[in-house]
Amino acid sequence: EVQLLESGGGLVQPGGSLRLSCAASGFTFSSYAMTWVRQAPGKGLEWVSALNGGSGVIAYYADSVKGRFTISRDNSRNTLFLQMNSLRADDTAVYYCAKAPSYYAISNQIDYWGQGTLVTVSS
Amino acid sequence: EIVLTQSPGTLSLSPGERATLSCRASQTVTSSYLAWYQQKPGQAPRLLIYAASSRATGIPDRFSGSGSGTDFTLTISRLEPEDFAVYYCHQYSSSPLTFGGGTKVEIK
Repeated sequence: EVQLLESGGGLVQPGGSLRLSCAASGFTFSSYAMTWVRQAPGKGLEWVSALNGGSGVIAYYADSVKGRFTISRDNSRNTLFLQMNSLRADDTAVYYCAKAPSYYAISNQIDYWGQGTLVTVSS
Repeated sequence: EIVLTQSPGTLSLSPGERATLSCRASQTVTSSYLAWYQQKPGQAPRLLIYAASSRATGIPDRFSGSGSGTDFTLTISRLEPEDFAVYYCHQYSSSPLTFGGGTKVEIK
């Protein structure tokens, strides 16, 4: 059974940093693209970033986070990360870790989602 | 960036009725790389349809997807009580990947 368990959310001040983790199990983690999607309170889904399978060289970012967020993976630990710097109030959201059914993030849908971790950016 | 516009914003229907949800793209979604997700309050989204018309594993056949190019539709043939939720379309044909704003299907 595929399981995705996010952690690392919490309250952070504007301009601060946070690192989210997603522990994956139930599949061969290194073979699949992984994605972060966020949802602000009471709002819709917003795609944040995606990373191809393998060594994680190919990454994609939404314009709203480019230059501030970095996606990465540790295949030896079956874990996906999202390093978030220069956080702003509008980054406040539940952050979902999600899996694609293939190696490539582009041209593949999301087939499994974690339960999410809440990030609150506020002074 | 491909912008996805969903309509209507809210659909008020009774159990047993047919629901038709629309998703319009600002540019062609190549290879029909479009998915639909269902989200209930306090839960993560769930994949319903991918490649515009393929049902995901375990999804009842009352859910169907259609369309190509810039116009896509999710149809729920007969609404069950558990189908009242928010539905999102999602294009994964080009970066940045994008989601529509959602359609809420509520009980009339």
